[in-house]
Amino acid sequence: KQEVTQIPAALSVPEGENLVLNCSFTDSAIYNLQWFRQDPGKGLTSLLLIQSSQREQTSGRLNASLDKSSGRSTLYIAASQPGDSATYLCAVRRNNQGGKLIFGQGTELSVKP
Amino acid sequence: DGGITQSPKYLFRKEGQNVTLSCEQNLNHDAMYWYRQDPGQGLRLIYYSQIVNDFQKGDIAEGYSVSREKKESFPLTVTSAQKNPTAFYLCASSIRPGVSSGNTIYFGEGSWLTVV
Repeated sequence: KQEVTQIPAALSVPEGENLVLNCSFTDSAIYNLQWFRQDPGKGLTSLLLIQSSQREQTSGRLNASLDKSSGRSTLYIAASQPGDSATYLCAVRRNNQGGKLIFGQGTELSVKP
Repeated sequence: DGGITQSPKYLFRKEGQNVTLSCEQNLNHDAMYWYRQDPGQGLRLIYYSQIVNDFQKGDIAEGYSVSREKKESFPLTVTSAQKNPTAFYLCASSIRPGVSSGNTIYFGEGSWLTVV
């Protein structure tokens, strides 16, 4: 059974710092991995999607990496801003279960001005 | 605007009542999903549908029911059999799995359900 874990559960950093969020999964047979952002009381917004054949994806100040063999992904945020404060969730799509996603519990990020 | 619309945003249910959450999408997506989110936790899949008139149970389907009579609509009914329904419910959609392994999934803004 696929399990997804995110560490840390919460993170507080001063503005301007570079930071890394971690995601680990137990079954390396995945289609893809996706990182989402969730603001309080809101839905999820997709940030980056990494296909199983890719190693990383970049969008602006965000960079996501994928190491299937070790069951790990990281989300790197450069030069953090208070507007980056949100919960970040990673999710993996299983190989044999259609479009279903398995989510981690999320990392709650707070960037202090 | 293209997207996913969930309604109502806030809903209160009395003990023993069934309630229905609406989810409509105009993205022309074949696949639609319902997830439940409890405080401090990730999302758990309730039901999903890959095509009209077909749907599958997710990991926590007990006490819930769905229908998929139209491509753009996937309502979720929370029945009285669901003993702990207070949660945040999220609807999502994507292009049909298998068409592309790289397709992303889009979420609505969510519906808060509280038992009173």
